[in-house]
Amino acid sequence: VQMTQSPSYLAASPGESVSISCKASKSISNNLAWYQEKPGKANKLLIHSGSTLQSGTPSRFSGSGSGTDFTLTIRSLESEDFAVYYCQQYNEYPPTFGAGTKLELK
Amino acid sequence: EVQLQESGPGLVKPSQSLSLTCSVTGYSITSNYWGWIRKFPGNKMEWMGYISYSGSTSYNPSLKSRISITRDTSKNQFFLQLNSVTTEDTATYYCARFGYDGTYYYYYFDYWGQGVMVTVSS
Repeated sequence: VQMTQSPSYLAASPGESVSISCKASKSISNNLAWYQEKPGKANKLLIHSGSTLQSGTPSRFSGSGSGTDFTLTIRSLESEDFAVYYCQQYNEYPPTFGAGTKLELK
Repeated sequence: EVQLQESGPGLVKPSQSLSLTCSVTGYSITSNYWGWIRKFPGNKMEWMGYISYSGSTSYNPSLKSRISITRDTSKNQFFLQLNSVTTEDTATYYCARFGYDGTYYYYYFDYWGQGVMVTVSS
């Protein structure tokens, strides 16, 4: 299953809200996870099952979608949110990842 | 707290084998499933394979003939061996733990190591 993320790059300011899209090449039900990647740190699981927040994920993060179209939304950006975000499907083997979206400070 | 840490050589010659260790603290590898994932330059990520709590393994078909994942339960470590490497195996390699809801295991990953960069070059 091919996962297509957009945009590849996103610039925003603290306090703004942003959305990242992830599209699957075929239906994956709600078997989608979102991760945050920061330099020098372990990747962090933010959301699984399309919209279920992992323990410890701030409530300003939300996930939506099912089937082929998914969205990660971050409301009221904080400085710690500037990072790279990946989606990953686990409906079919092997699991596959999107190419990432880099969220940078405007 | 669950922590994973990859270790191994940062430079491997073409045609040789790449060997990495994932050391786990805070959780026993005789529980859950444990996987290897790599990220190529340019950020494409690839699932490589797993070893289960019982020692069973499964590999990405794209790597099946070259990959082996083993473990040492006494040290709470698991290992990746990738044979006959080429420059296309240059990547950052991550170990990670499968998600688990108390009933089922899932192919998403709730704990990751920081990753180790491996360059394949002569």
